[in-house]
Amino acid sequence: DGGITQSPKYLFRKEGQNVTLSCEQNLNHDAMYWYRQDPGQGLRLIYYSQIVNDFQKGDIAEGYSVSREKKESFPLTVTSAQKNPTAFYLCASSHRGEGYRFFGPGTRLTVL
Amino acid sequence: ILNVEQSPQSLHVQEGDSTNFTCSFPSSNFYALHWYRWETAKSPEALFVMTLNGDEKKKGRISATLNTKEGYSYLYIKGSQPEDSATYLCAWENYGGSQGNLIFGKGTKLSVKP
Repeated sequence: DGGITQSPKYLFRKEGQNVTLSCEQNLNHDAMYWYRQDPGQGLRLIYYSQIVNDFQKGDIAEGYSVSREKKESFPLTVTSAQKNPTAFYLCASSHRGEGYRFFGPGTRLTVL
Repeated sequence: ILNVEQSPQSLHVQEGDSTNFTCSFPSSNFYALHWYRWETAKSPEALFVMTLNGDEKKKGRISATLNTKEGYSYLYIKGSQPEDSATYLCAWENYGGSQGNLIFGKGTKLSVKP
């Protein structure tokens, strides 16, 4: 079955630590995205990538970093510079940079 | 500030009721309007992507309309069922914005009681 996987489902981090969230897709999509959801807010774009080895900042990129070394994978690192990292993180992909977004199941990150 | 507004924030209906909710978005530089359904503990699932003014799309008991000139879209559910319970998100895609960016509304949470 084609789809997007994210791991882990739940993640706990101590303040000051970097942590990496995994996102893998086997849909052969060119574009991949990271969104963040906070209570009472809409999904907000952190980073996106239209093609391997290229990515762009979204609206709230500060404190995050990404890489896109393979078409299938788009990991997100939450660095210690991110002031409020506790949130629900969704990865998505699409064919090229338009059209339906296909979403993963999400990772809930909690900073202790 | 580019805002996408959804109303109502939440909705409780009885099984069999028909219901609708609204998504408002900026009418300038419109490219596409997306609707997603997000059930608890699942991934958001695409319902429709609409691009043309006056467009109407249907998927089973769910349909959506689009007015790009005035900047709104309606989502209708006919004869709601408990399995329709979910949060419904709309997202606006515009020309000239950072490519690939959707501006999401906060969603309408629908609860259907048996």
